[in-house]
Amino acid sequence: NAGVTQTPKFQVLKTGQSMTLQCAQDMNHEYMSWYRQDPGMGLRLIHYSVGAGITDQGEVPNGYNVSRSTTEDFPLRLLSAAPSQTSVYFCASSNGPNLHGYTFGSGTRLTVV
Amino acid sequence: AQSVTQPDIHITVSEGASLELRCNYSYGATPYLFWYVQSPGQGLQLLLKYFSGDTLVQGIKGFEAEFKRSQSSFNLRKPSVHWSDAAEYFCAVTSGTYKYIFGTGTRLKVLA
Repeated sequence: NAGVTQTPKFQVLKTGQSMTLQCAQDMNHEYMSWYRQDPGMGLRLIHYSVGAGITDQGEVPNGYNVSRSTTEDFPLRLLSAAPSQTSVYFCASSNGPNLHGYTFGSGTRLTVV
Repeated sequence: AQSVTQPDIHITVSEGASLELRCNYSYGATPYLFWYVQSPGQGLQLLLKYFSGDTLVQGIKGFEAEFKRSQSSFNLRKPSVHWSDAAEYFCAVTSGTYKYIFGTGTRLKVLA
């Protein structure tokens, strides 16, 4: 059972480039979220989804897009990378976040130069 | 607005000593509360959670936490710390939506 798989683990982008961070889960979880982690700021919610075809914005959505065409996959797209998007990105999934908590992936470390 | 405060950025304890990590939240109703642990280079792992019932909850790895409504606190405790407990610990709260608010974390160092 792989849990939540994030790819790539590391990425360096140039300012203005676009890319997609991949997230897949094999637990048939309905709820999925993307967080970014920055030093001294904890984790902040970017976007989340409560099921296939349903997404919504979190606390810091600007510059990011998501879609949820299947239950398993929840990719995060950076439209035009900026140095401020240098961060560690975590994907998480759950079958009931309030009662069961989230299962997190191991993260993607992104550097924008 | 909801908020979570972890007042201690760093804590150092000796192996075998007791541990208490503080978490205070700001929210009108009873929230759903969580503690997560993050080892270096890893994702977050759920330690324990509270949403109702007994205010003292037990988690994995020998951790426990106590919900105190009067103090708006949900402090994490462990009677005897092991070197493998060195990590960063995050408190999180949600009102019942799927959006978590995380604290800024407490980094634990364990001295041999």
